[in-house]
Amino acid sequence: EVLLLESGGRLVQPGESLRLSCAASGFTFSSYAMSWVRQAPGKGLEWVSSISGSDGRTYYSDSVKGRFTISRDDSQNTLSLQMSSLRAEDTALYYCAKRGSSYGYYFDSWGQGTLVSVSS
Amino acid sequence: EIVLTQSPGTLSLSPGERATLSCRASQSVSSRYFAWYQQKPGQAPRLLIFGASTRATGIPDRFSGSGSGTDFTLTISRLEPEDFAVYYCQQYDSSPLTFGGGTKVEIK
Repeated sequence: EVLLLESGGRLVQPGESLRLSCAASGFTFSSYAMSWVRQAPGKGLEWVSSISGSDGRTYYSDSVKGRFTISRDDSQNTLSLQMSSLRAEDTALYYCAKRGSSYGYYFDSWGQGTLVSVSS
Repeated sequence: EIVLTQSPGTLSLSPGERATLSCRASQSVSSRYFAWYQQKPGQAPRLLIFGASTRATGIPDRFSGSGSGTDFTLTISRLEPEDFAVYYCQQYDSSPLTFGGGTKVEIK
């Protein structure tokens, strides 16, 4: 069974930094691209960032490019998201998601999310 | 960026009825790169359909997906009580990956 467990979310002030983690189990972590998808309170889903499983190539949405950094540690089966210069509009539930297959960037497994609140 | 517009915003139906959800893309999307998700309150999204029409593992056959180009449809043939939820479409044909705004299927 695939399990994804996010952690690290909390209340921070605008401009601060935060690091999210996702512990993965139940599959060969190194073989799969992983992503972060967020959901602002009462809103829809927004893709944030992805990292490939093969060469570690990274991708970002324009809204976080230059502020967020995605990384992975295949030895620890862990995905991370380093978030800096946080803004109120970054407030959301952040999901860790596993890519479904090498044929498409859909997400076949999701964690339960970790809540990031940015407010003064 | 490909914008996905879902309609209707809310669908009020009774158990046993047929639900038809629409997702329209601002530009053509390959049907190989289109997915649907279900999200219940307080839960993470669950993959229903990928490749526009392929059901994910464990998804009942009352769920079906169709479409091509700019128009895609998710159909629930007979609504069960557990199907009342919010449904999102997603395209992964081009970056950035984008989701629709969601359709809420509520009990009438």
